[in-house]
Amino acid sequence: AQSVSQHNHHVILSEAASLELGCNYSYGGTVNLFWYVQYPGQHLQLLLKYFSGDPLVKGIKGFEAEFIKSKFSFNLRKPSVQWSDTAEYFCAVMIRGGDKIIFGKGTRLHILP
Amino acid sequence: SAVISQKPSRDICQRGTSLTIQCQVDSQVTMMFWYRQQPGQSLTLIATANQGSEATYESGFVIDKFPISRPNLTFSTLTVSNMSPEDSSIYLCSVQGYNQPQHFGDGTRLSIL
Repeated sequence: AQSVSQHNHHVILSEAASLELGCNYSYGGTVNLFWYVQYPGQHLQLLLKYFSGDPLVKGIKGFEAEFIKSKFSFNLRKPSVQWSDTAEYFCAVMIRGGDKIIFGKGTRLHILP
Repeated sequence: SAVISQKPSRDICQRGTSLTIQCQVDSQVTMMFWYRQQPGQSLTLIATANQGSEATYESGFVIDKFPISRPNLTFSTLTVSNMSPEDSSIYLCSVQGYNQPQHFGDGTRLSIL
């Protein structure tokens, strides 16, 4: 069965530090990839998505993610985090042409001011 | 993206009772889903709400416990039946166009005494 693994369950960084959150998936076929963010007390929001084309995708708030097909990875990055980035981040995968999205367990990011 | 309204936003219920959660979308959408997010956990798909027919349930979820209706393309309900403390969770509605990202409602935070 398809699955999504997020390596870090809880990450604590200081403001201005660089961020990379790992995400790997298990599926040999073509996939669409997503990162969602859930700020405290808010609903899940789409941060960025990859469907095809340039494997380096840019999302909102300075986030980007790189799809490396050979590694089945879709890591999320931000060069300089802010306190307002404190949130939970979910990686998600959808089989191309499918309907269900499979979510990772999430990474709770805490930014120290 | 679609605007999703979910009601109630939170509730505290007695053991053995049932609660119906409503999800209203401001535009017609292809697919609607119901998720559960238990404390400290990722999102777990309960079922796909099918318009005009029975919902498609994921493993571990049954219609008797989580009856779902979807009378049209903009509205769905999820009922949590015969509640027990283990049902305390956030219940989320999401919507999706074909081969598109999912968008989520604000969720219903449910506590069972």
